[in-house]
Amino acid sequence: EAQVTQNPRYLITVTGKKLTVTCSQNMNHEYMSWYRQDPGLGLRQIYYSMNVEVTDKGDVPEGYKVSRKEKRNFPLILESPSPNQTSLYFCASSTRLALRRYEQYFGPGTRLTVT
Amino acid sequence: GESVGLHLPTLSVQEGDNSIINCAYSNSASDYFIWYKQESGKGPQFIIDIRSNMDKRQGQRVTVLLNKTVKHLSLQIAATQPGDSAVYFCAEIRNTGNQFYFGTGTSLTVIP
Repeated sequence: EAQVTQNPRYLITVTGKKLTVTCSQNMNHEYMSWYRQDPGLGLRQIYYSMNVEVTDKGDVPEGYKVSRKEKRNFPLILESPSPNQTSLYFCASSTRLALRRYEQYFGPGTRLTVT
Repeated sequence: GESVGLHLPTLSVQEGDNSIINCAYSNSASDYFIWYKQESGKGPQFIIDIRSNMDKRQGQRVTVLLNKTVKHLSLQIAATQPGDSAVYFCAEIRNTGNQFYFGTGTSLTVIP
């Protein structure tokens, strides 16, 4: 089954404790992206990656890091989480084929709470 | 400031009626527009997209209209069903297709 998986689905942590949210896709997609979703603000793009070893900042990259060492994986790293990073996080992927490039597939989300 | 994907927050329709969900934007540099559906507890799901040089595109039971003159995008759902109840987002794509900007969403409730 074609899918994007995220782990963990739920995480409660404390300020300053480094964490990683994993994202993996099995569709051989080139493009991957991370978003955060907050009430009243919609989804905001954190980082995206066009392909292996190619990453770029989205709209709200501060406080986050990413890496793309393999095509299927795109982990989101919070080196020193703060309460304002409490949010619902989504990973997404898409092919770069011209007719389908904007059809992103989203993971189920990771609910992060930073106390 | 620049606004992206302004939505009315809620919409209620009777089952079987047509739904129209609207989205306003202010950035004229957007290349593509996309509509997503997000059901409770799930990630967004792609519905349909439209290129900025088009004014209408149809899918299965859905139609997207784009009016670049007034910077307005709409999603029409024909014969709305209970399974259509969800939050609908419009999104703009800029920077040659790499950056996505989502609106705040409209919550559609279908009344049986």
